[in-house]
Amino acid sequence: QKEVEQNSGPLSVPEGAIASLNCTYSDRGSQSFFWYRQYSGKSPELIMSIYSNGDKEDGRFTAQLNKASQYVSLLIRDSQPSDSATYLCAVGSNFGNEKLTFGTGTRLTIIP
Amino acid sequence: GAGVSQSPRYKVAKRGQDVALRCDPISGHVSLFWYQQALGQGPEFLTYFQNEAQLDKSGLPSDRFFAERPEGSVSTLKIQRTQQEDSAVYLCASSLERLAQETQYFGPGTRLLVL
Repeated sequence: QKEVEQNSGPLSVPEGAIASLNCTYSDRGSQSFFWYRQYSGKSPELIMSIYSNGDKEDGRFTAQLNKASQYVSLLIRDSQPSDSATYLCAVGSNFGNEKLTFGTGTRLTIIP
Repeated sequence: GAGVSQSPRYKVAKRGQDVALRCDPISGHVSLFWYQQALGQGPEFLTYFQNEAQLDKSGLPSDRFFAERPEGSVSTLKIQRTQQEDSAVYLCASSLERLAQETQYFGPGTRLLVL
């Protein structure tokens, strides 16, 4: 079992709709959770970070964390074509060295 | 300010050659990470430095991989006797402190192709 699992997609969403991206993780002691966006041929760019249970909103993005279910999600409201990218879920190590464990990424396409 | 920079951006090596990949972290960033990203996969952790100390090298795939950060700033990832399976994008990231909640900022990566 992979430590961080994501649906690889592709996920196609009409422009203006809500895109929902999901991620599960296996290490129950993990403390930090991140969503990175990666355009093709580019490096990962941090979109959201979340550390405690519940929702965290930043503009059109909302991250949701449920540690009991070992589940983290990212919602993108009013999806734009520029949101088309691969979204990587990353989980921070709880061993003090902060390495990130990434999922394989979900490829999102926003259809105009 | 300047972000994380990496050089070269692209490297083509013949199998068996040695390569050296450079990372310049954001000035003042204490922590530096190397990741390997294969095509269609997420980045995978290779090694981590706090200042000049290499605190975790558990992700290095073999003893052909070696990383250093002698003065606590610039880091070099060296791959000896490259193999085709080493072909990947090598990403460097840095963060300000050693806390788990610090943001890691990624460089543009070095795309390595081993023929």
